[in-house]
Amino acid sequence: DAGITQSPRHKVTETGTPVTLRCHQTENHRYMYWYRQDPGHGLRLIHYSYGVKDTDKGEVSDGYSVSRSKTEDFLLTLESATSSQTSVYFCAISDQGDSTEAFFGQGTRLTVV
Amino acid sequence: GENVEQHPSTLSVQEGDSAVIKCTYSDSASNYFPWYKQELGKGPQLIIDIRSNVGEKKDQRIAVTLNKTAKHFSLHITETQPEDSAVYFCAASEGTNAGKSTFGDGTTLTVKP
Repeated sequence: DAGITQSPRHKVTETGTPVTLRCHQTENHRYMYWYRQDPGHGLRLIHYSYGVKDTDKGEVSDGYSVSRSKTEDFLLTLESATSSQTSVYFCAISDQGDSTEAFFGQGTRLTVV
Repeated sequence: GENVEQHPSTLSVQEGDSAVIKCTYSDSASNYFPWYKQELGKGPQLIIDIRSNVGEKKDQRIAVTLNKTAKHFSLHITETQPEDSAVYFCAASEGTNAGKSTFGDGTTLTVKP
């Protein structure tokens, strides 16, 4: 398995509280991504990073922010969690080049009550 | 933006039969089409991928075909086994950023022994 660690693996939080999810990689890959997975929707891209301090929005970025201060860490923050952000969050990594593939972490199950 | 549609949403086959999952995409700029297998409680894992300069690719019991003109691609699994039971996702992306993908909604494959 690719060296991707997501933390925490499970979290229950209250509406309106801030939440930060962490993705840590040991592969030194350039790109990192945050996806959310909801029943019937597959995976949807929230934000991604193409280098340290270089990030961009994905399809469903509203209500989320990200930061990447080191190659190995990509943080996803929900500034004020809402029930609609209850989901399973996956981090992924990929390297640059035409023949690379994406590797996914094990996921973080977040419940906002 | 890109839109990927995947059919069927559920598929049940007898062990040893073949399974076919089909996807269509909308953006002609997409040039990388990965297929992922997701087992319960785990992140998606790449099983095969195809790039737009290739019409077909095979890896043991798994094959993928791509029709760029019609904008559709398909996953074929032959001689299915119970361990093939999982959720399968197709995806489409542009450029060399392998993880920045638009996903289909998934197909739950059940292989009956």
